Amino acid sequence: DAGVIQSPRHEVTEMGQEVTLRCKPISGHNSLFWYRQTMMRGLELLIYFNNNVPIDDSGMPEDRFSAKMPNASFSTLKIQPSEPRDSAVYFCASSYEGIGNQPQHFGDGTRLSIL
Amino acid sequence: GENVEQHPSTLSVQEGDSAVIKCTYSDSASNYFPWYKQELGKRPQLIIDIRSNVGEKKDQRIAVTLNKTAKHFSLHITETQPEDSAVYFCAAGFQKLVFGTGTRLLVSP
Repeated sequence: DAGVIQSPRHEVTEMGQEVTLRCKPISGHNSLFWYRQTMMRGLELLIYFNNNVPIDDSGMPEDRFSAKMPNASFSTLKIQPSEPRDSAVYFCASSYEGIGNQPQHFGDGTRLSIL
Repeated sequence: GENVEQHPSTLSVQEGDSAVIKCTYSDSASNYFPWYKQELGKRPQLIIDIRSNVGEKKDQRIAVTLNKTAKHFSLHITETQPEDSAVYFCAAGFQKLVFGTGTRLLVSP
């Protein structure tokens, strides 16, 4: 059974460029979460979707960040324009929102470096 | 909103000793408390979770306890092994999780 799939695994780009991170959740999961992890701030929730609808984007740092989920099997997180302080590991996680609360399963992450 | 505090930030033990990591949360509505293990350069992996209707849960060498009244929960690892060395995160919430700041556990042979 495939887990959460993220691409790319690594991204190095110059300041000002657009960055797009991609995520494919586990089949059958209807909740999707984007996290950012840094040494200084730890693991922060940026946004989450339920049934492809954004539910809470209060963690998105600023207007340069946007996320979409056009269908149940694909989501993107876009940064435009990128800045050096955006350098971090970005994780996508998914869960099944059934009866009660369900575990979140993380992808392998995208390590983003903005020069 | 929910706030989760985790202690200690680092923990060094000898192989075979027990390790305990503690977390407190602020929102009494939180009813799901997972623990994740993250090895260097890897993704967080769920190792155990507990829901608010349960006080304790065990899985081999790992156990979690929950005190809803005091709003704290703990991870207990017995008979630690070098491969237990990693960063451990607690989390609390309902639909969305708030994570603690992590505990770096080092198990020395």
